[in-house]
Amino acid sequence: NAGVTQTPKFQVLKTGQSMTLQCAQDMNHEYMSWYRQDPGMGLRLIHYSVGAGITDQGEVPNGYNVSRSTTEDFPLRLLSAAPSQTSVYFCASSPLAGTSGRSNEQFFGPGTRLTVL
Amino acid sequence: GQQVMQIPQYQHVQEGEDFTTYCNSSTTLSNIQWYKQRPGGHPVFLIQLVKSGEVKKQKRLTFQFGEAKKNSSLHITATQTTDVGTYFCAGHRDSGYALNFGKGTSLLVTP
Repeated sequence: NAGVTQTPKFQVLKTGQSMTLQCAQDMNHEYMSWYRQDPGMGLRLIHYSVGAGITDQGEVPNGYNVSRSTTEDFPLRLLSAAPSQTSVYFCASSPLAGTSGRSNEQFFGPGTRLTVL
Repeated sequence: GQQVMQIPQYQHVQEGEDFTTYCNSSTTLSNIQWYKQRPGGHPVFLIQLVKSGEVKKQKRLTFQFGEAKKNSSLHITATQTTDVGTYFCAGHRDSGYALNFGKGTSLLVTP
C-alpha cells in the first residue's frame, strides 16, 4: 500500500493563479481532510470529508474548495492564490471514528510546500 | 479559533531530563490523539485515548486523559535526542467528525 500520497511536493504560484493540490489514499478510509501548517500555528483544519459526495468546512476554509467524487481522492483547489496561502499543506485519512471498533488514527501524506508570490 | 490549547509552545531539555506537554480543550472530547512530527516530516500517530481517566504507556512515554475528558498530557521520562520533534494533541468533539489539533510543543533535546 502506498498510504496517502500528495502531489506536487513543491509549488510556487503567483498571486491570482489557481491550482489543485492532489491527495489520494489506498486504504479505503472514509475520512479525509486537509490541514495547513504555519510556524507557531500548528495544524489548522481547512476542509474534511466523511465519504464520497460529502464535504464540510474546517477552521480555515476561506479561499479553498474541495470535492470528494471517490473514496480514494480528495483534491484541494485554490481558486485565486494569495500570499497568505503560503504554507505547508497536509492531507490525512482515517477510518471513521468508532467504525467497527477501529482506531481512527490519521495517516498523513508527505505534504506540499506552497509559496505564493 | 482552535478549540484545543497546548502548552508549552517550546521546551529545551538536557538529555536525560523529563518532559511534559499539556493539552486543554474548552469542550468535552470524545477522544484525544497524540502525534509526533520530526523536523521536515509529517505528523505520525502515537496513541489514542478514549476513556475518562485513561492512562497508557509506550516505553518512556506516558499519556493521560483527564476525568472530565477536557485535558490530556504526554510525559517523556529520561529524554533522548531521538525524542526531538513537535508533539501535537488532537481531539474530536463529542458532536463532530472534525479532528482539531493543538499548536504543538516543540521539544529540543541537547546531549
